Amino acid sequence: GQQLNQSPQSMFIQEGEDVSMNCTSSSIFNTWLWYKQDPGEGPVLLIALYKAGELTSNGRLTAQFGITRKDSFLNISASIPSDVGIYFCAGHPANRDDKIIFGKGTRLHILP
Amino acid sequence: KAGVTQTPRYLIKTRGQQVTLSCSPISGHRSVSWYQQTPGQGLQFLFEYFSETQRNKGNFPGRFSGRQFSNSRSEMNVSTLELGDSALYLCASSLGGFITGELFFGEGSRLTVL
Repeated sequence: GQQLNQSPQSMFIQEGEDVSMNCTSSSIFNTWLWYKQDPGEGPVLLIALYKAGELTSNGRLTAQFGITRKDSFLNISASIPSDVGIYFCAGHPANRDDKIIFGKGTRLHILP
Repeated sequence: KAGVTQTPRYLIKTRGQQVTLSCSPISGHRSVSWYQQTPGQGLQFLFEYFSETQRNKGNFPGRFSGRQFSNSRSEMNVSTLELGDSALYLCASSLGGFITGELFFGEGSRLTVL
């Protein structure tokens, strides 16, 4: 079945640094979504992308829907301590629009 | 606006027992979907309910079942628990269905099977 390969699995960065993570698939997706999960909480939607090539920002976060429709990236600029958590990509495959697939997450650690 | 409420938050069961988890969606949301989250596998889709009907189902054995009531509240049940069922079970609601992808998650029910 479809899989989303999310990388990196974990990141250790200094406060103030920019962060980049991505998600790839061997098949085409109609929608790409990025969620963040804080410890002890459920995931929260950060950005939703619906069109190939779309670039969307939400504060310090920017995400893009790849033009091949097989990938997406999320950038976080000037990281702060509250950015710590797990970031998940998710998407609806083009051939099974009724399904949603999640990546395994990128765990972000911020060093003081 | 109240968020998605899941109960219980934590529970411990032994192998062979069964468990029922509850989810109250955001008011006005008619779709409820369930996910199993484990450290190695990430978020795995269990099933989705819309207007009391199961609309989609993931690749889990028949021991996992669910239902939705007329007020959109949903329950999931796991029978004959196995050690591997230990996980965080997340419920998400959305207005019309998870096709839009805009899911609102609860805090989850953490199940430990001994």
